[in-house]
Amino acid sequence: DIQMTQSPSSLSASVGDRVTITCRASQGISNYLAWYQQKPGKVPKLLIYAASTLQSGVPSRFSGSGSGTDFTLTISSLQPEDVATYYCQKYNSARTFGQGTKLEIK
Amino acid sequence: QVQLQESGPGLVKPSQTLSLTCTVSGGSISSGGYYWSWIRQHPGKGLEWIGYIYYSGSTYYNPSLKSRVTISVDTSKNQFSLKLSSVTAADTAVYYCAREPALGGRAFDIWGQGTMVTVSS
Repeated sequence: DIQMTQSPSSLSASVGDRVTITCRASQGISNYLAWYQQKPGKVPKLLIYAASTLQSGVPSRFSGSGSGTDFTLTISSLQPEDVATYYCQKYNSARTFGQGTKLEIK
Repeated sequence: QVQLQESGPGLVKPSQTLSLTCTVSGGSISSGGYYWSWIRQHPGKGLEWIGYIYYSGSTYYNPSLKSRVTISVDTSKNQFSLKLSSVTAADTAVYYCAREPALGGRAFDIWGQGTMVTVSS
């Protein structure tokens, strides 16, 4: 089974900071990679699919990159409403999520 | 727009079978083009995909749960269902249903609100 590993598990940043979260697949998954945002007590929300395609309605400060085994989610200028846990997920063959990255405001 | 709504018992006894239904509104399962999944989230933990079904009835399950999972579809009711057998406290979680476009690689684009299921005697 392909494992998805996110880093860091948690991070704290200031409003306006550039934030990067990394997701690594244990085997190549091409670009079958999505990112989700889950705010406390809420349903996960799709941010990015196909590694770098922004879901409709998602602010442009979110971006994704990568292919194969290494992927990143970047928030170009952190906003207070971005406090959430972020998950990567592969969707070729068995769907698998990363363990999550909890993002807080410093 | 398409909406998903989970329903089912919030409390299940150990060793019994957990049964949940997801009702799809605003679109038809039988029109094809989508995989319909179940995903769960243990309290305070991450997300775990359980499996999906296509309108034709073809399924794909998480290998770690495959022996206990059955997902079925009822196109006449525009619903799909989850059965998880021999449950234990480790199956206590919020259960979500979600839609995934079958083409174009768009991942889980629509989710239900989730339903909490507790396994306890």
